[in-house]
Amino acid sequence: EDKVVQSPLSLVVHEGDTVTLNCSYEVTNFRSLLWYKQEKKAPTFLFMLTSSGIEKKSGRLSSILDKKELFSILNITATQTGDSAIYLCAGNYGGSQGNLIFGKGTKLSVKP
Amino acid sequence: DSGVTQTPKHLITATGQRVTLRCSPRSGDLSVYWYQQSLDQGLQFLIQYYNGEERAKGNILERFSAQQFPDLHSELNLSSLELGDSALYFCASSAAAGQGAGTFGSGTRLTVV
Repeated sequence: EDKVVQSPLSLVVHEGDTVTLNCSYEVTNFRSLLWYKQEKKAPTFLFMLTSSGIEKKSGRLSSILDKKELFSILNITATQTGDSAIYLCAGNYGGSQGNLIFGKGTKLSVKP
Repeated sequence: DSGVTQTPKHLITATGQRVTLRCSPRSGDLSVYWYQQSLDQGLQFLIQYYNGEERAKGNILERFSAQQFPDLHSELNLSSLELGDSALYFCASSAAAGQGAGTFGSGTRLTVV
């Protein structure tokens, strides 16, 4: 059965800390891995990773995919209170469908 | 504003009733996805449409159905509602069928009492 597992489920840090969020996947016909940030309502897209070993960066956020070991990490450096959110990881099992299997998410709380 | 519009934002209804949730995709996007998010299950894929045709089905109950109209807006119909159907229902859209859900709407919060 296809699944995506995220860890930890929740995390509390202080501003300025660096955090690493983990995502492992078992997805048939894997195509890509996506990261989303969900604050109050709609998940907002962060990264899509398709190739192993190539880091994607956006400001203080970065992510990398390991297709051999079937996992991805999301790093956030110099965390700010605005980074507090649920971070969702999703596997795209491609084909003509391109549908996503989501993990349960990691709830990140950044304290001042 | 993500460009994906969902209405209504909130809905409260009684068990056994039927409701319709509406979604307008982002301009130019042909593919629409419906997801259900509950506290215990997380985000679950329900169904996908591409340019008016059903493309894929996920964990969608038989009591639920959807369609995509010629103007590309989509509706999700939920019938014989049960307490366990209370959840946040998201619509998402993407330009092509194989991209996964790129842009999410703000969701419809359904409460069944």
